[in-house]
Amino acid sequence: DVQLVESGGGLFQPGGSLRLSCAPSGFTFRDCWMHWVRQAPGMGLVWVARINPEGSTTDYADSVRGRFTISRDNAKNMLYLQMHSLTVEDTAVYYCATAGNYRFDQWGQGTLVTVSS
Amino acid sequence: QSALTQPASVSGSPGQSITISCSGTSSDIGGYEYVSWYQQHPDKAPKLIIFDVSNRPSGVSNRFSGSKSGNTASLTISGLQTEDEADYYCTSYTSSVAYVFGTGTRVAVL
Repeated sequence: DVQLVESGGGLFQPGGSLRLSCAPSGFTFRDCWMHWVRQAPGMGLVWVARINPEGSTTDYADSVRGRFTISRDNAKNMLYLQMHSLTVEDTAVYYCATAGNYRFDQWGQGTLVTVSS
Repeated sequence: QSALTQPASVSGSPGQSITISCSGTSSDIGGYEYVSWYQQHPDKAPKLIIFDVSNRPSGVSNRFSGSKSGNTASLTISGLQTEDEADYYCTSYTSSVAYVFGTGTRVAVL
């Protein structure tokens, strides 16, 4: 079975940094586009970033471009989201998701990031 | 890129059919056949239920169906059941920021 396990969330101060991780299993990770999607408490889903299978192409939502970096290590079977210059608006559950052809096939359980002083 | 527009809530009685709309523009819904729908129960991860406008993944009930006309996509749930109570989100590939989600619709089964 496909599994995606996110980690790295917690309580962080405004202006701070953190790195989220996503550990995939049950599928050939190195062949898949991967995404991060976030959901603020009580709010809707928002696409954050994507990365191609080789790790050579990335795209970002306007709200995080220049502050967040998506990356992957296919040798270690890991997906990452490096987050800098955190603001309270970055408070959300962050999901990693596998990408089929223009859809989000499988989702992790999410990891909560809270930005507060 | 603004979120796609969905009604905040839709309700129906068991056995009824309901339809959720998802309104976008020619840069997203109207420009691509890449609309997908997700079901999210409280405190759970989203689940893909429709992709490429009208296709169901294996294992998803055929009570869920999707369609598109112009810049608006729709999700229909027929034979409404209590377990269908959840939030539903549409998404579309876009010409600008890759993907945009809808604002979300809460479905209540009365």
